[in-house]
Amino acid sequence: KAGVTQTPRYLIKTRGQQVTLSCSPISGHRSVSWYQQTPGQGLQFLFEYFSETQRNKGNFPGRFSGRQFSNSRSEMNVSTLELGDSALYLCASSWGRTYNTEAFFGQGTRLTVV
Amino acid sequence: GEDVEQSLFLSVREGDSSVINCTYTDSSSTYLYWYKQEPGAGLQLLTYIFSNMDMKQDQRLTVLLNKKDKHLSLRIADTQTGDSAIYFCAETGTYKYIFGTGTRLKVLA
Repeated sequence: KAGVTQTPRYLIKTRGQQVTLSCSPISGHRSVSWYQQTPGQGLQFLFEYFSETQRNKGNFPGRFSGRQFSNSRSEMNVSTLELGDSALYLCASSWGRTYNTEAFFGQGTRLTVV
Repeated sequence: GEDVEQSLFLSVREGDSSVINCTYTDSSSTYLYWYKQEPGAGLQLLTYIFSNMDMKQDQRLTVLLNKKDKHLSLRIADTQTGDSAIYFCAETGTYKYIFGTGTRLKVLA
């Protein structure tokens, strides 16, 4: 069974640009969550999707958005990039009709904003 | 609050046992998890414990849960150099995982 796949693994963008990251969950998993990991803030929840609907959102500005497709694949988009957006972005998939289920993480996309 | 606390660093000698501690906040968390992160990698689920259990053993890993004190620990027996990584505990909040700050384990040969 394939794991969670995130693409691309690495990205370098310039301030002001926008970026789209992709996450393919484990087959059969319908919940996809996104987290931002930085040395200063640790792992912070961005948002979670289940069956194409955003169920919950963390405390991030509106520049951060996402969506989920009918095949459960998810994308997150960050517009008007700032230097502080440099981070490892992790996607987690779970079977997840409820929140108390195991989450499996991808390798992450490391975004560097210059 | 949402602070899940862990000590930042732990250093042990190869072959010794490692104990990584975590204090969580939400007594209603159904599951508590331990994840491992190696350099440049994502999070690998190591083990989890259901909140009505006190202990769970899985090969070299032992998880202890003290619900009264909201204290969770991960013991790694016979620690190997390949165990060097950052270890995160996590509790399931209302709709998300709440992660600890991570404990960097360094195993000395």
